[in-house]
Amino acid sequence: EVQLVESGGRLVQPGRSLRLSCAASGFTFGDYAIHWVRQAPGKGLEWVSGISWNSGSIGYADSVKGRFTISRDNAKNSLYLQMNSLRAEDTAFYYCAKGPKYSSGYYYLDYWGQGTLVTVSS
Amino acid sequence: AIQMTQSPSSLSASVGDRVTITCRASQGIRNDLGWYQQKPGKAPKLLIFAASNLKRGVPSRFSGSGSGTDFTLTISSLQPEDFATYYCLQDYNYPYTFGQGTKLEIK
Repeated sequence: EVQLVESGGRLVQPGRSLRLSCAASGFTFGDYAIHWVRQAPGKGLEWVSGISWNSGSIGYADSVKGRFTISRDNAKNSLYLQMNSLRAEDTAFYYCAKGPKYSSGYYYLDYWGQGTLVTVSS
Repeated sequence: AIQMTQSPSSLSASVGDRVTITCRASQGIRNDLGWYQQKPGKAPKLLIFAASNLKRGVPSRFSGSGSGTDFTLTISSLQPEDFATYYCLQDYNYPYTFGQGTKLEIK
């Protein structure tokens, strides 16, 4: 069974940093792209960042580019999101979501974790 | 970034109705579009990928169509469990972008 478990969310002051983690199980983690998606309370979904299976392709939303860094450790079946210079508008539930296998010709987010809440406030 | 315009933002319908939700991309995205369903307090779920491919296990009353800039999600006969919020997502290039969402409510 595919499982994605996010952690690291908490209350943090504006301007500070935070690192989120996503622990994956139930599939060969190193073969798949993985993404971060966030959702502010009561709002819609916003794609944040994605990373290919070998970290060779990485993308960011314009709203986080230059402040957030995505990375992965395939040996530890883990995905990370380093969040710097946090702002109030970064307050959201952060989900990690599994993408397609490296050999797939398709793109999608087919399994999602339950999310971790980041609150940016003084 | 590619903009995704989703409509309507909300929709009221009855069990058994046929409903259609649309997404328009600000530029051509081939068929690189997915549809997601989200229920309150839950993570989103993938329904359709590559515009028209039903994810395994998703009921056949869901279907998707479109290519280029215009896409449609159709639910052929609404069931009680279908009342939720639906999002399109363009995965043609980075940064991926979601539509604003369509909240489907019971009439």
